[in-house]
Amino acid sequence: DTAVSQTPKYLVTQMGNDKSIKCEQNLGHDTMYWYKQDSKKFLKIMFSYNNKELIINETVPNRFSPKSPDKAHLNLHINSLELGDSAVYFCASSPGQGPYGYTFGSGTRLTVV
Amino acid sequence: DAKTTQPPSMDCAEGRAANLPCNHSTISGNEYVYWYRQIHSQGPQYIIHGLKNNETNEMASLIITEDRKSSTLILPHATLRDTAVYYCIVRSSYGNKLVFGAGTILRVKS
Repeated sequence: DTAVSQTPKYLVTQMGNDKSIKCEQNLGHDTMYWYKQDSKKFLKIMFSYNNKELIINETVPNRFSPKSPDKAHLNLHINSLELGDSAVYFCASSPGQGPYGYTFGSGTRLTVV
Repeated sequence: DAKTTQPPSMDCAEGRAANLPCNHSTISGNEYVYWYRQIHSQGPQYIIHGLKNNETNEMASLIITEDRKSSTLILPHATLRDTAVYYCIVRSSYGNKLVFGAGTILRVKS
């Protein structure tokens, strides 16, 4: 069983489309995160939820909207996709907000054409 | 959170210990040192973390200096599969986000 699973693994779409990436963790963790890794390979946090409550919201365009229906799921919806949104998006989870290691998913490679 | 400084790249011979240094001279008392790695095209992988004491797990050892201003991650017997980018991150104990820097590219060579 994959601990943190993301779907889809690859996503190719046209500019202007709306798309969603799903993330599920079966670790029983309370906290989940979305990270973006761009072409320069820097990993940047986008959002964090703790028990379905948004706790970190970095300077991310409003076109990005996270949703956490329950603490095991954190989805990322992106409206009006732009070329610059092309990146690998990683979901992660941790037991809570304390000094814990994060478990990352394998990533979703989004290509906007 | 305190910033960290790591060498951009290192080489290590297969089977030898890989010692990856990290400077965090502005670390404060409640900040932990975390190590992650990212193997090509995969998600980052948690390795180990510590506050003051040295730590060891099945993957690696973490040696933190007494003044806590630097640390070393030790992979005792590096294999080709340990080739990855290694990130040293300082983060306070509660609530703060994990911020990744550029890391160290470790190349294990046969």
